[in-house]
Amino acid sequence: QKEVEQNSGPLSVPEGAIASLNCTYSDRGSQSFFWYRQYSGKSPELIMFIYSNGDKEDGRFTAQLNKASQYVSLLIRDSQPSDSATYLCAVRGRGKLVFGQGTRLTINP
Amino acid sequence: AAGVIQSPRHLIKEKRETATLKCYPIPRHDTVYWYQQGPGQDPQFLISFYEKMQSDKGSIPDRFSAQQFSDYHSELNMSSLELGDSALYFCASSFRASTNEKLFFGSGTQLSVL
Repeated sequence: QKEVEQNSGPLSVPEGAIASLNCTYSDRGSQSFFWYRQYSGKSPELIMFIYSNGDKEDGRFTAQLNKASQYVSLLIRDSQPSDSATYLCAVRGRGKLVFGQGTRLTINP
Repeated sequence: AAGVIQSPRHLIKEKRETATLKCYPIPRHDTVYWYQQGPGQDPQFLISFYEKMQSDKGSIPDRFSAQQFSDYHSELNMSSLELGDSALYFCASSFRASTNEKLFFGSGTQLSVL
């Protein structure tokens, strides 16, 4: 079992709709959770981080964390074509940051 | 704001050659991480350094070595290159002493082994 797993996608969402990205992790001791956005051939860009159970909102992005279920998600409201990218869930366990395999998101105009 | 700087951006080598990748972290960041990302793959952790000492080791081949220097820049040395080493290599830096450490990535070095 991979340490961090994401819904593999690809995910296609109409412009203006809500995109929902999901991630589960195996290490119950994990403390920090991140969402990175990566455009093709570019480096991962940090867009959200969450450390406590519940929701965290930043503009059109909402991260949700449920440590009991070992689940973290990212919601993107009012999706824009520029949101089309691969989204990487990353979890910090004991030291290093471990990435999921990424979910490719396409926003259709 | 200053970001993580990696050099070179692109590197073409032949099998069995050696390569050196360089990473300059964000000023005042004390930790450097190296990741390897193959086409369509997620970034795979290779190795990290904190305050110039190796702090964690991932799936780094024995043919690779790395170090962090007194000015906190880091170099990844790759020897006996193989075709499978072709990938995007990212360096990330962070300030580990912060309560909730966040990693910031450089633009990467695209290594092609022919």
